Amino acid sequence: AQSVTQLGSHVSVSEGALVLLRCNYSSSVPPYLFWYVQYPNQGLQLLLKYTSAATLVKGINGFEAEFKKSETSFHLTKPSAHMSDAAEYFCAVRSGSYKLIFGSGTRLLVRP
Amino acid sequence: GAGVSQSPSNKVTEKGKDVELRCDPISGHTALYWYRQSLGQGLEFLIYFQGNSAPDKSGLPSDRFSAERTGGSVSTLTIQRTQQEDSAVYLCASSLGHVGPSTDTQYFGPGTRLTVL
Repeated sequence: AQSVTQLGSHVSVSEGALVLLRCNYSSSVPPYLFWYVQYPNQGLQLLLKYTSAATLVKGINGFEAEFKKSETSFHLTKPSAHMSDAAEYFCAVRSGSYKLIFGSGTRLLVRP
Repeated sequence: GAGVSQSPSNKVTEKGKDVELRCDPISGHTALYWYRQSLGQGLEFLIYFQGNSAPDKSGLPSDRFSAERTGGSVSTLTIQRTQQEDSAVYLCASSLGHVGPSTDTQYFGPGTRLTVL
């Protein structure tokens, strides 16, 4: 069975600081991994996805994530946080050919 | 182009009543998914439709939940005899569905917030 673990339900950073949101996965087959962002009272927006083409994946809004098979990780980073980055972030793995299995989410707070 | 739309955006109902939630997928997307987002359970898969194939209903929490997809487009999620634990945000997503998994991406609607009093 596939699963995703997000470490830290809340992360707080200062504006301009590095953002690091952690995601570890469990999968018996090469995984397809995703990061989605959810702004208040909105649906999920795709930030980026890993599909084995490249281990470093660049997404929207300056975010990127690196797939590390040896660590079974897919952490999300952004060099410099903006106030507008405050949202909840979900890591997900595709189970089988379609179903997404989500982590519990990490709420990012950006301090001025 | 238009994204996934859902209606209503908010629904308040009384315990025991039936509710219907609607999803309009992106035009041309053959795959449609329903997920539920609740405080206690996080984001969980409910049901998946792909073209004319039998849907995968493995995520439906009880037989009070059902869903249909008419004409391969619009989908309706029905909850009968609602309970307070059904209170959640119900998210719909769609994807092309007929491409490989490395290409297929799910796009989500804004959700319907259901409150059962």
